[in-house]
Amino acid sequence: KAGVTQTPRYLIKTRGQQVTLSCSPISGHRSVSWYQQTPGQGLQFLFEYFSETQRNKGNFPGRFSGRQFSNSRSEMNVSTLELGDSALYLCASSLFTATRGTDTQYFGPGTRLTVL
Amino acid sequence: EDQVTQSPEALRLQEGESSSLNCSYTVSGLRGLFWYRQDPGKGPEFLFTLYSAGEEKEKERLKATLTKKESFLHITAPKPEDSATYLCAVGLIQGAQKLVFGQGTRLTINP
Repeated sequence: KAGVTQTPRYLIKTRGQQVTLSCSPISGHRSVSWYQQTPGQGLQFLFEYFSETQRNKGNFPGRFSGRQFSNSRSEMNVSTLELGDSALYLCASSLFTATRGTDTQYFGPGTRLTVL
Repeated sequence: EDQVTQSPEALRLQEGESSSLNCSYTVSGLRGLFWYRQDPGKGPEFLFTLYSAGEEKEKERLKATLTKKESFLHITAPKPEDSATYLCAVGLIQGAQKLVFGQGTRLTINP
């Protein structure tokens, strides 16, 4: 079974630009979550989508947005890039069975974004 | 405030020298505790999920345990390929698919 895939793997942008990152979940997984990883803050939750609806959102400014398509694929967008947005952006997918609590999330390889 | 703390931040061991990594948590309601391994430049790789105090899971040289306040990842007779950053994360009652991560323990196994 193929894992979570993310494209592109690397991106270099300049301040003020916007960027779109893509994530394809494991086949059959309907929940997609996004995280930002930096050396200083570690892994921080951005948002989660299920059935094309945003269910949870982390403490990030409105410049960070996302969406999910009917095939469960997801994109996240960052507008008006700032230097501090340089990070590894990780996507994770899960089945979401809601039977025991939080379902196991499986991560993709990430997209390394560098803002100059 | 929900908080996850991992200790130590870094750990160096000799090959074959067993040890434990700690993950303590202060959260409003635990809906699962997760251990991941992360190699440099890669995404976290899933290791274990624990849901209830007293639960234990094993995989090769790794064993994870859970109490009401903390979890341990025991590494028995480690090999150099076990070198990685080990991340602990908790799922919360509020916002079920949101994970709160600790800062990780960077483990180095010397041959």
